[in-house]
Amino acid sequence: GAVVSQHPSWVICKSGTSVKIECRSLDFQATTMFWYRQFPKQSLMLMATSNEGSKATYEQGVEKDKFLINHASLTLSTLTVTSAHPEDSSFYICSGDGVYGYTFGSGTRLTVV
Amino acid sequence: DQQVKQNSPSLSVQEGRISILNCDYTNSMFDYFLWYKKYPAEGPTFLISISSIKDKNEDGRFTVFLNKSAKHLSLHIVPSQPGDSAVYFCAASARAAQGAQKLVFGQGTRLTINP
Repeated sequence: GAVVSQHPSWVICKSGTSVKIECRSLDFQATTMFWYRQFPKQSLMLMATSNEGSKATYEQGVEKDKFLINHASLTLSTLTVTSAHPEDSSFYICSGDGVYGYTFGSGTRLTVV
Repeated sequence: DQQVKQNSPSLSVQEGRISILNCDYTNSMFDYFLWYKKYPAEGPTFLISISSIKDKNEDGRFTVFLNKSAKHLSLHIVPSQPGDSAVYFCAASARAAQGAQKLVFGQGTRLTINP
């Protein structure tokens, strides 16, 4: 079946630094990659939708300059949290849309200290 | 505006019995519904889906029922097993629209199967 590899699985960073999260579709081409965020005991909230080779579409309330998304190829999408603050601490998950439907990465636990 | 709602944050069921997880939605444009299982610090794992043209879909121990008039769907797990203990999310999308469609998730229900 389809696999989306997401790295790192967890990261701790200092406030003000940037963190990059990678998602790779290993055995399918993900024309579209969705990025979600989940706060403790809450639902997965869509942050943005990225299509290969074009700019990402951000959901209302998500700062595009803070959460930089790059989808340069059909197998790789990245999310960079710039100038991270403690309130950005969350669980970030990507999902690729391919012939097998929606396939989720394993998630990245970001802690900003 | 919570378009997909799971009103039960938790559910506890005896092993071997039936687990019933419920989900309600408000957006009549949704035409595809999915259930996911999620363990802590992991991504969601797809369980079962249903298109709005159906009212039931079955896969092994998992059955999803869709009541379009009530905008309600449910996931039945029978018999329930200890390994089913996890958080279950229902999700909905409007696939009739062009291009890949985003999923809207409910808040999740934590299912605990007691031995």
